[in-house]
Formats: sequence, structure tokens, C-alpha cells
Amino acid sequence: DAGVIQSPRHEVTEMGQEVTLRCKPISGHNSLFWYRQTMMRGLELLIYFNNNVPIDDSGMPEDRFSAKMPNASFSTLKIQPSEPRDSAVYFCASSLAGRGTEAFFGQGTRLTVV
Amino acid sequence: DAKTTQPTSMDCAEGRAANLPCNHSTISGNEYVYWYRQIHSQGPQYIIHGLKNNETNEMASLIITEDRKSSTLILPHATLRDTAVYYCIANNAGNNRKLIWGLGTSLAVNP
Repeated sequence: DAGVIQSPRHEVTEMGQEVTLRCKPISGHNSLFWYRQTMMRGLELLIYFNNNVPIDDSGMPEDRFSAKMPNASFSTLKIQPSEPRDSAVYFCASSLAGRGTEAFFGQGTRLTVV
Repeated sequence: DAKTTQPTSMDCAEGRAANLPCNHSTISGNEYVYWYRQIHSQGPQYIIHGLKNNETNEMASLIITEDRKSSTLILPHATLRDTAVYYCIANNAGNNRKLIWGLGTSLAVNP
């Protein structure tokens, strides 16, 4: 398996524009996570899906952020409209649900909003 | 979930063992201890986890004290490629959604 695949790797956009980040989890994994990482706040969980259903979105900062998982092999994180403070590295991770299992992370998308 | 405490940074000579400590004095009986690392510009990478017993895999060993209030991650023969931030996490959830990521330990392996 190629692991968790994220695209794009880098994104530079202007304030106010819509940004869509994409993630393909590892085949067979039924849990998917979106994280954001900044120097100030470290790694923060934004949202968690189990079997394609959003279970916990308490980490989503604002209504400008939305995430979908239309099927087991694809998820998107959308920011509309984007703001400079959204600049960060966004990671997607997947795992099998259950205690004692490990999460596998993608390489991340570095987002810069100017 | 239990809070974990790690030193901010550590140094290790190449080829020597790197011993990374973690305190989790409030850990409950059903919380696992997980270790991940993050090499610069990459996503976090799982290393090892344990509940009560010591664990070993191809990457590292995990030593958990009998009272489970602390643990040590051991990289037996550190290489320059082991330079990374190492995160110790106590997780009680039935899945990985409650991994609370602290600031970790920045390990520098020196030639």
C-alpha cells in the first residue's frame, strides 16, 4: 500500500479564496482524521470520521472549515473563505478503529494564505 | 486522557542508545502509552505502544514502570536519521481520535 496520500503537497492562495485539501486513506482503514499543525499550537485534531461518518468535529475552528468523506477511499477538507491565520500544515491520518491500533499519517499539505 | 510530560530536547551520539523519558503519573489502568516521531517536514510516524508490559519492535523498545507512571523509549543504536521530535501520548479512547499531542522531545543525534 502506498500509505495515506494527500494532495496537494503545497498550496499558496490569496485571502478569501476557497481551498480544498484531499486525502486518500489506506485501503481497509475505517477511521480518518484531519489534523492541523502550527508552531504555536502544535498538532490539533480537527475532525474524525468512522466508517465515513463524522463522529467528532469539535476541533473544527470555524464554520469556514468543512470536511466530507463521500466514500471509504476519499476525504476532503475545505476552507471557504481562507484567511492568513489558516496557514499551517494539514495532515490526514487513517487507522483501524479499536484500542491499541496505530494511526498512519500522510505527508501533509502546507497551506499558505497570503 | 492522562497528560504526559517530556523533556523539551535531548542530544545523543550516533551509534549510542537514545533513552527518551516520559512521565504520565495520572495514567489510568486502561490507557495505552503510544510513541510517535516526526522527522522534519514529514507526517508523524508511529513507533511503538504498550499497556503494561515492555514492548520491542524493529524500531525501538518501550519500558513501562511497574506503577505505569512513567515510561522510556529506547532507540538502541541511534543514527542521524533518528533526529526528530518524539511524542509520548497516553490514549484511552477506543480508537485514535483522542491522541493529545504535546510538544514532544526534540532529539538531536550528533555524529
